[in-house]
Amino acid sequence: DAGVIQSPRHEVTEMGQEVTLRCKPISGHNSLFWYRQTMMRGLELLIYFNNNVPIDDSGMPEDRFSAKMPNASFSTLKIQPSEPRDSAVYFCASSTLGNTEAFFGQGTRLTVV
Amino acid sequence: AQSVTQPDIHITVSEGASLELRCNYSYGATPYLFWYVQSPGQGLQLLLKYFSGDTLVQGIKGFEAEFKRSQSSFNLRKPSVHWSDAAEYFCAVGDLNRGSQGNLIFGKGTKLSVKP
Repeated sequence: DAGVIQSPRHEVTEMGQEVTLRCKPISGHNSLFWYRQTMMRGLELLIYFNNNVPIDDSGMPEDRFSAKMPNASFSTLKIQPSEPRDSAVYFCASSTLGNTEAFFGQGTRLTVV
Repeated sequence: AQSVTQPDIHITVSEGASLELRCNYSYGATPYLFWYVQSPGQGLQLLLKYFSGDTLVQGIKGFEAEFKRSQSSFNLRKPSVHWSDAAEYFCAVGDLNRGSQGNLIFGKGTKLSVKP
């Protein structure tokens, strides 16, 4: 199994631009999570999906952030417009329903200049 | 509200020495507890987890952790540290109030350096 796959690994963009982060969960997993890691706030849950349906997006910082999961094998996290304070490492994780063990991708390091 | 505290931001130990990383949690019920390790530029890997039962939990890479309800602690231990253990370690509690397993509240992490 290739594990959770995130792309791109690194993204540098200018303030005001749209950024799209991508995630492919482990095949057969039906829960997907987006986390953000910053020095100041550590790891924070942004949103999670069960069976492709968003369950809790209370961690999404602002309306500039949106996430979709059009099918069981793909999810996106979009920031529009991006701001320098969005610079962070964004992690995607997946698990099976009823299983508390989440498997993490390698993350996307986003830099907004 | 649930929270996780890792009091030590950075710890340095000599190779071969024992290690204990501290973790305290705040949670109203019996917690689901986890330790993850993050190597530079990598994602998080699960070391071990506690749900119920035996309070001493064995994990991968020779790590173990002990759940102590009276102290609200879940400290991570290893009897002999290897240079490859240098990484950042995160303690986490499962946030079941958010309606699904797998939602984790993380501590701020402890960075482990290993001296030769």
